[in-house]
Amino acid sequence: GESVGLHLPTLSVQEGDNSIINCAYSNSASDYFIWYKQESGKGPQFIIDIRSNMDKRQGQRVTVLLNKTVKHLSLQIAATQPGDSAVYFCAENIRSGNTPLVFGKGTRLSVIA
Amino acid sequence: NAGVTQTPKFRVLKTGQSMTLLCAQDMNHEYMYWYRQDPGMGLRLIHYSVGEGTTAKGEVPDGYNVSRLKKQNFLLGLESAAPSQTSVYFCASSSGLAGFETQYFGPGTRLLVL
Repeated sequence: GESVGLHLPTLSVQEGDNSIINCAYSNSASDYFIWYKQESGKGPQFIIDIRSNMDKRQGQRVTVLLNKTVKHLSLQIAATQPGDSAVYFCAENIRSGNTPLVFGKGTRLSVIA
Repeated sequence: NAGVTQTPKFRVLKTGQSMTLLCAQDMNHEYMYWYRQDPGMGLRLIHYSVGEGTTAKGEVPDGYNVSRLKKQNFLLGLESAAPSQTSVYFCASSSGLAGFETQYFGPGTRLLVL
C-alpha cells in the first residue's frame, strides 16, 4: 500500500469530472485486489475487485486497472458526484495463501460542487 | 439481513478498565476480523478467526484478546485499557469459500480511553 504518514493523500475533483485514485501494492505474489470506499463515520464498503489474470474490470461508473509489471492499481470514477467524497482504500491478497487482506492507508477524495 | 453489527457504537473508558466489544454477523460467514483504525492510518488487523472456536493474531494483537464461541459472533476484549487503544474498531466478516476475500464491515465502535 501507499507509504504515507499521519495525513492521507487527498484528491480534489470538480463535480462531473473523472477521478483517478492510485495504489502501489507491495507484494508481487498478490493475485487479488479490492477497492473499498469509506464515508465519514462509517465502515468501509466494497466497491470492486479484480484478479491478477485481468488488467481491467468495470463496474457501475467505476473501473479498476491493474498493472502487475509495476505493481500498480488504480480506481477510476466516471462523472464524479458529491456522494463519491470519501476515503478510498485498496487491499491486496494472495488467494491461495493463508493470510488476510492487506490494506493500504487510503486516499481522500473530495468532490467540489 | 442486518449484515455485520457492532455493539456498542461508542464507549469511554478510564485507563485500566476492561471491556468487550461484540460483533455479530447474519451472513453465515466463516471468517471474522477485528481491525483498528487511527487518524490518517489504514486498517490494522488485530485478530481474526477462520471458523468457530479458532482465532489467530493479526498485525497488532498486543493488549487485546478475542473469542469465537459461536460462528456468528466475534468478541474483542481489552483487559486493561490504555490511552494508546483509543481508536475506531471495525469488525468484518467474509465467507471463506475462497480463502481470504471480500470482507464486509460493520459500522465501527469508537473507543476513547482516558
